[in-house]
Amino acid sequence: QKEVEQNSGPLSVPEGAIASLNCTYSDRVSQSFFWYRQYSGKSPELIMSIYSNGDKEDGRFTAQLNKASQYVSLLIRDSQPSDSATYLCAVNGNTDKLIFGTGTRLQVFP
Amino acid sequence: DTAVSQTPKYLVTQMGNDKSIKCEQNLGHDTMYWYKQDSKKFLKIMFSYNNKELIINETVPNRFSPKSPDKAHLNLHINSLELGDSAVYFCASSQGLAFPDKFFGPGTRLTVL
Repeated sequence: QKEVEQNSGPLSVPEGAIASLNCTYSDRVSQSFFWYRQYSGKSPELIMSIYSNGDKEDGRFTAQLNKASQYVSLLIRDSQPSDSATYLCAVNGNTDKLIFGTGTRLQVFP
Repeated sequence: DTAVSQTPKYLVTQMGNDKSIKCEQNLGHDTMYWYKQDSKKFLKIMFSYNNKELIINETVPNRFSPKSPDKAHLNLHINSLELGDSAVYFCASSQGLAFPDKFFGPGTRLTVL
């Protein structure tokens, strides 16, 4: 079992819709959870971090964490074509080692 | 005013050669990392340094040797390059071991022919 799993996609949503990206992780002692956005040919860019159960909102982005289910998600409201990218879920345990999923490619079409 | 910079951006070389990639951060961070992203976009940590001290050394062939002359720099030297080393190598930094938010450099695309 992979340590951090994501559906590779592509996830296609129309402009203005809500995009829902999901991630599961295997290590129960994981403490910190991150979403990175990576445009093609560019470096990963941190867009959200979440540390406790529940929802965390930042603009059009909402991260949701459920430690009991070992599940973290990212919702993007009012999706724009500029949101088209690969979204990487990353998990930190009690070491400094950040474990990444393989990413979900999101396509937002006009 | 680039936060994390890497050179070179592209590196094309023959099998068996030795090459280096340089990384510098001007964020004042204590911790720096090397990540490798393969053709399937899987991003995996290779090394981390905290205040010039090696903290994480994943199961990376010993042909890869990181060097941190000071806490703002972390270089990666690769000996006897192999085809499988072709990937994008990202340098990253964070404030410290207790601050997991990581900031990535632009990446170095290494192609081994």
